[in-house]
Amino acid sequence: NAGVTQTPKFQVLKTGQSMTLQCAQDMNHNSMYWYRQDPGMGLRLIYYSASEGTTDKGEVPNGYNVSRLNKREFSLRLESAAPSQTSVYFCASSEVRLRLRGYTFGSGTRLTVV
Amino acid sequence: DAKTTQPPSMDCAEGRAANLPCNHSTISGNEYVYWYRQIHSQGPQYIIHGLKNNETNEMASLIITEDRKSSTLILPHATLRDTAVYYCIVGANSKLTFGKGITLSVRP
Repeated sequence: NAGVTQTPKFQVLKTGQSMTLQCAQDMNHNSMYWYRQDPGMGLRLIYYSASEGTTDKGEVPNGYNVSRLNKREFSLRLESAAPSQTSVYFCASSEVRLRLRGYTFGSGTRLTVV
Repeated sequence: DAKTTQPPSMDCAEGRAANLPCNHSTISGNEYVYWYRQIHSQGPQYIIHGLKNNETNEMASLIITEDRKSSTLILPHATLRDTAVYYCIVGANSKLTFGKGITLSVRP
């Protein structure tokens, strides 16, 4: 089925460890996004990529880096994980023009930093 | 992007219509109104969107006021599976900002 695939689904890290969250979409969308969601909160934008080869900071970019590897893939990297980065991370994709369906989301990566 | 205001929660009886309100008084002329829902801890799911006219699909209806400053999402026959957080968002050719949404609880 077409959609957004995130890996891994669950991860536990120790403080200071690094890891990369992977995201891939097969809908030929131009734009991709990374959000985090903390308990009882809405989604906050970390980084986004309006098109292949471009990335921009969102609302909460500190402590993260991203790579738009190609049109399909957009990865999020934590260089030195901190307990404050314990969260659920969602990747999404969309056409550049949002007049269609807007975003399609992945099922999330649940990250715990101890 | 314009901001939206939603009540924090509401409930309705199973089988009845659920009317979820949203205020977006600063909406711009080219911004669409989107509704998403998030069931438990899954990724948000698109429901419906509109610009000026009312819209209906297999999931819901969207009623937008003539001045576009507010809208209502209508779930015509709510079921227990419609219990979720519903997000009202406005946006155009840019990134979408998700607030806390409204928690809809459907009771038996």
